[in-house]
Amino acid sequence: DTGVSQDPRHKITKRGQNVTFRCDPISEHNRLYWYRQTLGQGPEFLTYFQNEAQLEKSRLLSDRFSAERPKGSFSTLEIQRTEQGDSAMYLCASSQEARTQYFGPGTRLTVL
Amino acid sequence: TQLLEQSPQFLSIQEGENLTVYCNSSSVFSSLQWYRQEPGEGPVLLVTVVTGGEVKKLKRLTFQFGDARKDSSLHITAAQPGDTGLYLCAGASGTGGFKTIFGAGTRLFVKA
Repeated sequence: DTGVSQDPRHKITKRGQNVTFRCDPISEHNRLYWYRQTLGQGPEFLTYFQNEAQLEKSRLLSDRFSAERPKGSFSTLEIQRTEQGDSAMYLCASSQEARTQYFGPGTRLTVL
Repeated sequence: TQLLEQSPQFLSIQEGENLTVYCNSSSVFSSLQWYRQEPGEGPVLLVTVVTGGEVKKLKRLTFQFGDARKDSSLHITAAQPGDTGLYLCAGASGTGGFKTIFGAGTRLFVKA
């Protein structure tokens, strides 16, 4: 197993466009998490899935953000009508139950 | 609101020096993790501490969890340029431990 993977690694988009990121967790992990990290800060929790169920969403996740994990394996995070304030590193992590989370390399989003 | 405060925020030292990084909170955590993050990459797990008073060693790195499970420290002996990076502490929170709270990190630069 090669760990958590994320695609794309970098995304540059214009304000108002929609973007979608993908995360493939470690195969035996049932929990999947999304975080956002801005410059000079630690990652901030956005949402998490237990299998295919989305069990918690942060207040940071506005209605322009939606995440899915349709078959309990990979997950997608979509941002609609992007704004410059959405520019950040979007990190995905996975874990087996409440054990330690392992992070992917992240997707760096730049909104022009 | 649970917060993890890390100090110092930035540290620049010469190769061979020792250093200690602190992670403090007013809240109790069921476990605490230390990660290291390189620019443009996701955090990489260094250690998880669970028991109050626990000490773990990873080569030149020594991690300690406070007796009350509210704080932790990371001590690096004889720092090397390869130790350069952002060190993040993170605490497990939320019902079932799903939510991880991160500190803002300590950015370490070790000069050769």
